[in-house]
Amino acid sequence: GENVEQHPSTLSVQEGDSAVIKCTYSDSASNYFPWYKQELGKRPQLIIDIRSNVGEKKDQRIAVTLNKTAKHFSLHITETQPEDSAVYFCAARIGGYSTLTFGKGTMLLVSP
Amino acid sequence: NAGVTQTPKFRVLKTGQSMTLLCAQDMNHEYMYWYRQDPGMGLRLIHYSVGEGTTAKGEVPDGYNVSRLKKQNFLLGLESAAPSQTSVYFCASSYQAGVSYEQYFGPGTRLTVT
Repeated sequence: GENVEQHPSTLSVQEGDSAVIKCTYSDSASNYFPWYKQELGKRPQLIIDIRSNVGEKKDQRIAVTLNKTAKHFSLHITETQPEDSAVYFCAARIGGYSTLTFGKGTMLLVSP
Repeated sequence: NAGVTQTPKFRVLKTGQSMTLLCAQDMNHEYMYWYRQDPGMGLRLIHYSVGEGTTAKGEVPDGYNVSRLKKQNFLLGLESAAPSQTSVYFCASSYQAGVSYEQYFGPGTRLTVT
């Protein structure tokens, strides 16, 4: 099955800095890579996703990049704000399967 | 639309007791999932269903059973609760694969087994 490794486990930045979270996956048949944000005490919510036929996707201050050769993908948040503080999860889906495998999460702390 | 709802929000059980968690969705989604979330462990899949009347095991199925008798409901059962099942349980649903892969999560159920 798929294995997803996520780093770092915690990340502290100053407001306005950029933050980068990296994930690696093991199965080259994976073709869908979402990122979920979970605020304290809340449910996970999708913030951005990318499919394997695309190398990069942006949505305002967040972007995701995918390197299929190296089997890793990254979340980039620019101009961080205190409300970006949350736990972020990456995930991967093997083509033809109906389930996601999640990384263990990164706690992002943005200090004012 | 209520989206994905879970009942109850909190529950305390004693070792050996049983209970059922209910997940309901009003988005006509085919796929439904049960996860558990433990500190530092991320979201781990317990069981899932790809349609009414179907269920399948996920990564950590032991000690749990599920049923999907109606398309909109997915039940998670603990027959004999153990302290190791203390966790936050999330239900999620999604469209049939190929239409959209996004999973929509419920608000979670915090379960404590003493």
